[in-house]
Amino acid sequence: QVQLRESGPGLVKPSETLSLTCTVSGVSVSHYYWSWIRQPPGKGLEWLGLVYYSGATKHNPSLMSRATISIDTSSNQFSLEIASVTAADTAVYYCARGLGTDGYNSHFDFWGQGALVTVSS
Amino acid sequence: SYELTQPPSVSVSLGQTASITCSGDKLGDKYAAWYQQKPGQSPVMIIYQDAKRPSGIPERFSGSNSGNTATLTISGTQAVDEADYYCQAWDSITYVFGSGTRVTVL
Repeated sequence: QVQLRESGPGLVKPSETLSLTCTVSGVSVSHYYWSWIRQPPGKGLEWLGLVYYSGATKHNPSLMSRATISIDTSSNQFSLEIASVTAADTAVYYCARGLGTDGYNSHFDFWGQGALVTVSS
Repeated sequence: SYELTQPPSVSVSLGQTASITCSGDKLGDKYAAWYQQKPGQSPVMIIYQDAKRPSGIPERFSGSNSGNTATLTISGTQAVDEADYYCQAWDSITYVFGSGTRVTVL
């Protein structure tokens, strides 16, 4: 079955770079669209961006170009980096599988368990 | 930027019907999905393409989408349905989530 698992440091200092990796099993990342979504404590969901197997990406403009998403098909993983983090970036970060960006298939059918990242000195 | 608006909370008596709305400009021209999230857990997709249920999702969950409003209906609400619910759509640039609705079962 399809499984996603986020990994990375749980604590990042302000102004530094947040880095997370999503390891996918049960399906090749060389298909579908792979997204990062976050949820600040007690708040709602925010889509951050996606990567396609070709390396093409789409980002949420709200992140002001601070986010970089990449894919490693040989390891069946994809990654997220957010530069110059502040306390506002503290959140649970989820990776998720998307089926497309055509509207009709634009939903997320599999999610990771989430990784809490706290930004604090 | 495109926005989806949901009521912060909905209360429903055990066994009754709960309706959760999601409003956005011409949302009916897009496709809506719905996710259920229980405390400490990841979201689970319960409705996609406005009204389709993934395998394993109970039939008591149904969806519709027309005009500016998508609606998630829970028929015969059970105690296990107490959770946060989020709508979601694609606005051609970004995936957008609604603000979320907490469903309380009385």
